[in-house]
Amino acid sequence: EVQLLESGGGLVQPGGSLRLSCAASGFSFSNYAMSWVRQAPGKGLEWVSRISTSGRSTYYADSMQGRFTISRDNSKNTLFLQMNSLRAEDTAVYYCAKSGRLMEAFDIWGQGTMVTVSS
Amino acid sequence: NFMLTQPHSVSESPGKTVIISCTRSSGYIANNYVQWYQQRPGSSPTTVIYEDNQRPSGVPDRFSGSIDSSSNSASLTISGLKTEDEADYYCQSYDSSNVVFGGGTKLTVL
Repeated sequence: EVQLLESGGGLVQPGGSLRLSCAASGFSFSNYAMSWVRQAPGKGLEWVSRISTSGRSTYYADSMQGRFTISRDNSKNTLFLQMNSLRAEDTAVYYCAKSGRLMEAFDIWGQGTMVTVSS
Repeated sequence: NFMLTQPHSVSESPGKTVIISCTRSSGYIANNYVQWYQQRPGSSPTTVIYEDNQRPSGVPDRFSGSIDSSSNSASLTISGLKTEDEADYYCQSYDSSNVVFGGGTKLTVL
């Protein structure tokens, strides 16, 4: 069974940092681009970042550029999101999502991990 | 960056057909594939349509997608509505540098 399991969310103060992880299983992780998508409470979906199969190419939404860093460890089938300089507006559920044939589309989603930025 | 605009909410009765629209603000809708995701309350999104009109295995053929270049929009059609179809639906597309989601449409089946 294809599965994505996020972890690392929690409560952090404004200006703080957090590192999210996404453990993948049930498919050849290194063969697929991966992304992070977030959803603020009661709001819609917002794409955060994408990483290529090798990890050499990364892409970010404008509002996350420079503060967030996506990476992957293909030997451990794990995706990461390092989040720095966190703001209240970064409060959201963060989903890990697997791409299919298209890098820019998502066929499998994790259950999400909640990040709350508050003092 | 472009935007994808969806109606905030739609409602229809069981057994009927509903169409949810998704209009692209700039750039041609036909140039980049459109996906549709279903999100039931308290759950993660799941894909119901990919690459404009393709259904993943396990998605019933009551769900269909289409593109209309004249209105620069995409549509998700759900026929034979069931109460289990009640959910939020998001369209999604992309350009050379961004992935964009529509604001979501809340479907109520009553």
